[in-house]
Amino acid sequence: EAGVAQSPRYKIIEKRQSVAFWCNPISGHATLYWYQQILGQGPKLLIQFQNNGVVDDSQLPKDRFSAERLKGVDSTLKIQPAKLEDSAVYLCASSPHPRTLAGRQETQYFGPGTRLLVL
Amino acid sequence: AQSVTQLDSHVSVSEGTPVLLRCNYSSSYSPSLFWYVQHPNKGLQLLLKYTSAATLVKGINGFEAEFKKSETSFHLTKPSAHMSDAAEYFCVVSRGSARQLTFGSGTQLTVLP
Repeated sequence: EAGVAQSPRYKIIEKRQSVAFWCNPISGHATLYWYQQILGQGPKLLIQFQNNGVVDDSQLPKDRFSAERLKGVDSTLKIQPAKLEDSAVYLCASSPHPRTLAGRQETQYFGPGTRLLVL
Repeated sequence: AQSVTQLDSHVSVSEGTPVLLRCNYSSSYSPSLFWYVQHPNKGLQLLLKYTSAATLVKGINGFEAEFKKSETSFHLTKPSAHMSDAAEYFCVVSRGSARQLTFGSGTQLTVLP
């Protein structure tokens, strides 16, 4: 099966510009995640969608970041305006459902990421 | 709150020798734990996961990890390192009713010829 698709793979912008990233999850996966991975650190969850609704966006800097998943399939993450500290890899992941009927953890499948450099 | 601590930021081994990547976790209840691997310019790939079944978990590419509740550890091992194992490894714990993942800071594994 096709994996999680992300585009673009690389983006260079100047501070105060805006940028958007796109993610297409594995077909049929209800849950979609956006992570931010700063160099030398582990990924940090920004936002989680279940179908087209937001489950958790508590770590999303809402003054500049926004995300949507209007039809419950693909998703867009936007930064406006960008800051130098937003330089990172933005990862998208999907899972069929956050937990099975038995309450166990579903595996998250990650895309290749979008590497953002803000100058 | 759930968290993981990866005790080594860098590990270097010779090809053919054992690999040990250490991870301690903190969780208020029985956790789900994972190891993910990230090769340069590639997406994160699940190596293995523990979800309260067998405490010794076998994963892909010959890796395995043992859940030790008494030591709050979930160390990743492999009997014999291969050059292709060189990558960054993340220990991960799931948290909350929505099972969100919290990643450790990562361990960079170098395999020397």
